[in-house]
Amino acid sequence: DAGVIQSPRHEVTEMGQEVTLRCKPISGHNSLFWYRQTMMRGLELLIYFNNNVPIDDSGMPEDRFSAKMPNASFSTLKIQPSEPRDSAVYFCASSFFLDTTDTQYFGPGTRLTVL
Amino acid sequence: AQSVTQLGSHVSVSEGALVLLRCNYSSSVPPYLFWYVQYPNQGLQLLLKYTSAATLVKGINGFEAEFKKSETSFHLTKPSAHMSDAAEYFCAVKKGGSEKLVFGKGTKLTVNP
Repeated sequence: DAGVIQSPRHEVTEMGQEVTLRCKPISGHNSLFWYRQTMMRGLELLIYFNNNVPIDDSGMPEDRFSAKMPNASFSTLKIQPSEPRDSAVYFCASSFFLDTTDTQYFGPGTRLTVL
Repeated sequence: AQSVTQLGSHVSVSEGALVLLRCNYSSSVPPYLFWYVQYPNQGLQLLLKYTSAATLVKGINGFEAEFKKSETSFHLTKPSAHMSDAAEYFCAVKKGGSEKLVFGKGTKLTVNP
């Protein structure tokens, strides 16, 4: 299996620019999660989808962040406009939700630097 | 609300020594508990998980963890550290019926030769 695929692996952009992060979950998985990791706040869940439908977006920091999952094999996290405080590693994870014991599988992450 | 506390942001051991990484949880209902490992510049990988089937859980790479309800703990151990164990370890909790994982702050393990 290819695992969870994220692109790009690294992104450097300037403040005010739009940033789009991409994720391809493991084939057959029906839940997808976006996390952000920073030194100060650790790992935070931003949003998650089940069967392509957003279930909980309470972790999305503000309106500058948006996420979509147009189909079962693709999701995007967009930041517009980006700010230096958005610099972090963004992880995508997927799982096959049968019950609460299901395992989330993480991608390698996208390291975002906003100058 | 569920939460986990990992005692010690950094732990240093000698190669061959016991590894003990501490995790305490707070949950109003029986929790499901997980340990993940993150190697440098990589994503998180599941080490083991507690799902109420057995209190002593064995995971990959020789790690194990014991669920102790009376102490609200789920500490991770390995009898003999290897250099390749150097990584950051995260404890996480999930409430029954929920898909949301809540992570601790992580413990960075250093293994000295």
